[in-house]
Parts: sequence; C-alpha cells; structure tokens
Amino acid sequence: GIQVEQSPPDLILQEGANSTLRCNFSDSVNNLQWFHQNPWGQLINLFYIPSGTKQNGRLSATTVATERYSLLYISSSQTTDSGVYFCAVNDYKLSFGAGTTVTVRA
Amino acid sequence: DAEITQSPRHKITETGRQVTLACHQTWNHNNMFWYRQDLGHGLRLIHYSYGVQDTNKGEVSDGYSVSRSNTEDLPLTLESAASSQTSVYFCASRESSGNTIYFGEGSWLTVV
Repeated sequence: GIQVEQSPPDLILQEGANSTLRCNFSDSVNNLQWFHQNPWGQLINLFYIPSGTKQNGRLSATTVATERYSLLYISSSQTTDSGVYFCAVNDYKLSFGAGTTVTVRA
Repeated sequence: DAEITQSPRHKITETGRQVTLACHQTWNHNNMFWYRQDLGHGLRLIHYSYGVQDTNKGEVSDGYSVSRSNTEDLPLTLESAASSQTSVYFCASRESSGNTIYFGEGSWLTVV
C-alpha cells in the first residue's frame, strides 16, 4: 500500500506564530485529505486537496502531486489549533500518516 | 442534519468476551469504514464496506468482523476480546463517488 510520512512529529508554537506541516507519500494518489483531531478526539475534515492550493481562513494547503507531497500552513496560530493533524491518501480507502501533534501555547 | 454516530462511546470489557461496536450514518453513504487508532500508529483500517452485503478486510482485520445488512449500519464485532484490542475505534462513511470521508466521534474500548 501507499506509505504516508508526516513531519515533524511534534510542533510547539507560541500563539500568533506561523507553521508548516509536511506530508510525503510514496505513490501517485487521486485523493488527499487533511484532518485535525482536536483534544477531545474528534476528527474534522480540513481539506480535500489532491492537487493545487486551497485556503480556509488561517489554514491553507498545497499539494504537488507530481512530487508526492502536500503542505499544510497554519498562520497566526491560536490555542484552538492544538491537536493532531493527519494527512491521508486514498486509492479505494484512506491510508493515514502518523500525524503531527501541534501544541499552541498562549 | 445528517450524521454518523457510534455507540457505546466508552466501554470496559473482559478478555474473551464478545463485544459489538455500533455505527450508524444517516447520509445514505454506500462506503463505510472502521479504523482503530493507537499511539504511534495513526489510524489503521480494520474493515470496510462498499454497500449492502459487501465487506472487506483491511490491514488489521484479525479478531474483528463486520456485517452490512442495510446502508445505514456497519457494526464491528470483536469475537473474543484481547488486551491488544484496547484502542479507540472510529467509524467513517463516504459517498461512492465522493471525496470527503466523515468520521464518527469514536468509541474508547478497554479490554481488561
């Protein structure tokens, strides 16, 4: 199956800082999604982004499918951004990376 | 609003007992999935279904079974619970032609 690697594994930010999370995948994909798991365990869809760039408020994502990576940008981070960010790619199902744990300190 | 719900949300059971986790979605999605989440492993696929009477094994299916008798439900059964099955279980669904997958809120299972 497709291998998905996320970096960094952990990220500590001061409120207001910007950050970039990376997702590398081992094969071509036609579906890539970013999720945020909040501290209560809930998984929230952030982006469906098999290619190109999308923005949603302070979050944006870029996928370069030909180079097999995707980036998630968090700008002006807030404490509510804390949690685990997962990248997932799919052929017939979703294969998840191990996630990046983000802690935003006030 | 359409939604996907799991029950029970928390359960403690003993080794060797049969346990069933329920998953119900009201979107009429054909595709349904069960994942488990363990520290350091992200989410791993247990079983999935593309429609009624269709079930398929995922990467960590040993010790688990599912059945799909209608579109809305995909119950996950642990035939004989083991301590290694202590985990958080997530159910998910997606339209057949859809791109976005939606997750339930998770079921925390402890096997003692």
